[in-house]
Amino acid sequence: GDSVTQMEGPVTLSEEAFLTINCTYTATGYPSLFWYVQYPGEGLQLLLKATKADDKGSNKGFEATYRKETTSFHLEKGSVQVSDSAVYFCALSRGNYGGATNKLIFGTGTLLAVQP
Amino acid sequence: GAVVSQHPSRVICKSGTSVKIECRSLDFQATTMFWYRQFPKQSLMLMATSNEGSKATYEQGVEKDKFLINHASLTLSTLTVTSAHPEDSSFYICSARTASNYGYTFGSGTRLTVV
Repeated sequence: GDSVTQMEGPVTLSEEAFLTINCTYTATGYPSLFWYVQYPGEGLQLLLKATKADDKGSNKGFEATYRKETTSFHLEKGSVQVSDSAVYFCALSRGNYGGATNKLIFGTGTLLAVQP
Repeated sequence: GAVVSQHPSRVICKSGTSVKIECRSLDFQATTMFWYRQFPKQSLMLMATSNEGSKATYEQGVEKDKFLINHASLTLSTLTVTSAHPEDSSFYICSARTASNYGYTFGSGTRLTVV
């Protein structure tokens, strides 16, 4: 079945360091791919998404490119801040982004801790 | 933006009792609600999907008689863990979608501890 694998954390970085959180997926067809972020005590928030191969999602300095050939959607940021400390979840949804009942399949989540 | 209020955020209950978790969409109509469960260091696992006014669709391996889901209105869905046992201790989180907006809006989760 469909699945998402992302690197285990925690990832601890100093402020202004470069961030990469790896995410690979297994799915037939062309799923939509997402990164969600969960700040302490809050719900999951959509960070960025990509719906087809070679699409690049970006938001708040974070980027991820949908790579069909490597089935990957790695999250990157050039210079992290303390405020980026959170848990990051990679996820996929089958088929089109549309369809109210399409369900999300999540990775395990990666805790990022950014130190001043 | 869209907000889903989930409560309680934490609950401790005795084994054998039932616990109800509520999710309310505050500024939109939640046509579909998803209920997830997360074990420590594991993925969010989808338990069930419910559409307003219909019976929930449960994922394979989820006991529908144990995890009762009600989605009686477009702004409220509830998950009741019946006859809770320590193995039901987990983090439960809801997510709502509306037919006109394909985004998913998540609640902040409920930490259930059964003692």
